Formats: sequence, C-alpha cells, structure tokens
Amino acid sequence: DTAVSQTPKYLVTQMGNDKSIKCEQNLGHDTMYWYKQDSKKFLKIMFSYNNKELIINETVPNRFSPKSPDKAHLNLHINSLELGDSAVYFCASSQAAGSNEQFFGPGTRLTVL
Amino acid sequence: DQQVKQNSPSLSVQEGRISILNCDYTNSMFDYFLWYKKYPAEGPTFLISISSIKDKNEDGRFTVFLNKSAKHLSLHIVPSQPGDSAVYFCAASAFGNQFYFGTGTSLTVIP
Repeated sequence: DTAVSQTPKYLVTQMGNDKSIKCEQNLGHDTMYWYKQDSKKFLKIMFSYNNKELIINETVPNRFSPKSPDKAHLNLHINSLELGDSAVYFCASSQAAGSNEQFFGPGTRLTVL
Repeated sequence: DQQVKQNSPSLSVQEGRISILNCDYTNSMFDYFLWYKKYPAEGPTFLISISSIKDKNEDGRFTVFLNKSAKHLSLHIVPSQPGDSAVYFCAASAFGNQFYFGTGTSLTVIP
C-alpha cells in the first residue's frame, strides 16, 4: 500500500553498465521527480515530469534519461555507469507542478564498482 | 551553489527537552520553506512548512520560525521524544519552482 515505491532498493553494478531504476506512485499525482543524494548528503533534483512532459531538467549528464510510460510511473535509465554515479536516488511525486509538498519513495542505493 | 545550509550535522537532546534545528539560506527570492524528516532506509517525509508571509507556524509539538531578514529558519520540537530521532532536512523554493535541500541534521533524542 506504499504511496511512492522504487525498485530495486539496492543496486550494485560494474562501471560501464546500463541500469534502470523504477518508480511508481499510487497517489494520483500529476508530477514526479528524481533526486540524487550524494556522499556529502546533498539532496539535489535531477528531473521532474508533469503529465509526461519534462518540466525541469537540471544539468545532469545525458547518460541519465527519465522515461514516463504513464502518469503513475517515472523510471530512470542510466547508461555507461561511472564511479561518481554512486549515490542514493529518490523518486518523489506531488499533486501538481509547484505543489509545495512532495512525497518521497524509500530510495535506491546505487553502488558502481 | 549551496543555497540552503544546515551547519549542524548532528544534535543530541534529552527526552522531554526542546530540540532546535537550524537552517540558513542565501536566496532572498525563496518564498516557501519546508522541513522533512527521514528515518534510515526510508525516503524523506513532509513535516511542516511555512510561507514567507508568516514568521511562525505551529503543528502540535513542531513549530517552525522564519526570520527573513537573517535568512534563517528553525524547527523547534517540544517536548522531544525518542521517536523524533531522525535526520531533518530543510528545503526552500521560490515561486513554486524546484526545491533546494540542506544536507540534513541528525537528531538523537536520548531517553
């Protein structure tokens, strides 16, 4: 009955691989986000999608690509993984773009070896 | 460009006493501020917020104070309970745009 869920919870992979993290929300929200929390604990937004339209795209490498098959899902694809991609990735959703409360998933800890 | 700062990485407080978590920001255009609470292995959960038109917002044991001239906000928890032990993130946004988060303060409430 989780509001925002992410899979997998842990992901360990080799440098150069391509991986995906999935996110689903059952709150009926219009906007979904991906955040990266690095080793210094900075929680920084990467992308957001509103009704399948990208509305924020921070200066992240183009190896990262969000894909939203429908309003309830926002998956994160990462190509050619690098050591610096190791972090915890959080998915979040909000009722509308600019809505002041975001609901977060439990996070995916990605480790690149 | 760390626009939201939480300079205390950790704080320990006795049960029943007041916990005060601090947050500073640099962008004077921020007009909405939030506090999130995070337990280990879970995502952040919304706790309390304040608009820049107010200087105080209270919700039960939690009160957020905003000092716009000092670009400073604080979260007061009173009385503190062991279940309050978590990492607290401060966040700010301008005109409903993206949120900028601080690096968090780990609160430990000692029974």
